[in-house]
Amino acid sequence: SSELTQDPAVSVALGQTVRITCQGDSLRSYYASWYQQKPGQAPVLVIYGKNNRPSGIPDRFSGSSSGNTASLTITGAQAEDEADYYCNSRDSSGIIFGGGTKLTVL
Amino acid sequence: EVQLVESGGGLVKPGGSLRLSCAASGFTFSSYSMNWVRQAPGKGLEWVSSISSSSSYIYYADSVKGRFTISRDNAKNSLYLQMNSLRAEDTAVYYCARDGLATGDYWGQGTLVTVSS
Repeated sequence: SSELTQDPAVSVALGQTVRITCQGDSLRSYYASWYQQKPGQAPVLVIYGKNNRPSGIPDRFSGSSSGNTASLTITGAQAEDEADYYCNSRDSSGIIFGGGTKLTVL
Repeated sequence: EVQLVESGGGLVKPGGSLRLSCAASGFTFSSYSMNWVRQAPGKGLEWVSSISSSSSYIYYADSVKGRFTISRDNAKNSLYLQMNSLRAEDTAVYYCARDGLATGDYWGQGTLVTVSS
């Protein structure tokens, strides 16, 4: 079955830019979506489609994709962006999630 | 305002059964596919099952196929997950999620299922 691969942990200095990546064969056929999850809370959709933000998501969040790799970029990371980030996509038999990236804002 | 509220979680012995419910409000439930996603303690998100708006299409993760059954009642704006032959590895928070802008554009708060003797 398909899988999506993410780096387990990434850190960024306050106010700097960070990119979180997601690799997988399904991304050649389907867009990735990105979710932010803070401790004890449900995931929140932050990016979907080519590069779309749901209402209420700050414009410092953006998405991109090339080949089998999707990226979530946070431009000017804030302390409140510290969280786990998951990518996901559809695949031929359902939905798959990446393993998640823990973002630390220093 | 879109709201999804899960219920039905709890402690169950291995081999037991449990039925989860997800009550939807704030949108036309019958127009959307719905998903169940789970998260084991300290672990990542795992897709469990999907159902199309009219129940015509149903999909399961291999890990639950043959044991779990997803269903919905559009008249009651409700989504269900019948879980049988439960195992310790099914212990997780179970979320229902609307499949709209993305496979999970809105999520419930989750319900905890603990499988233990």
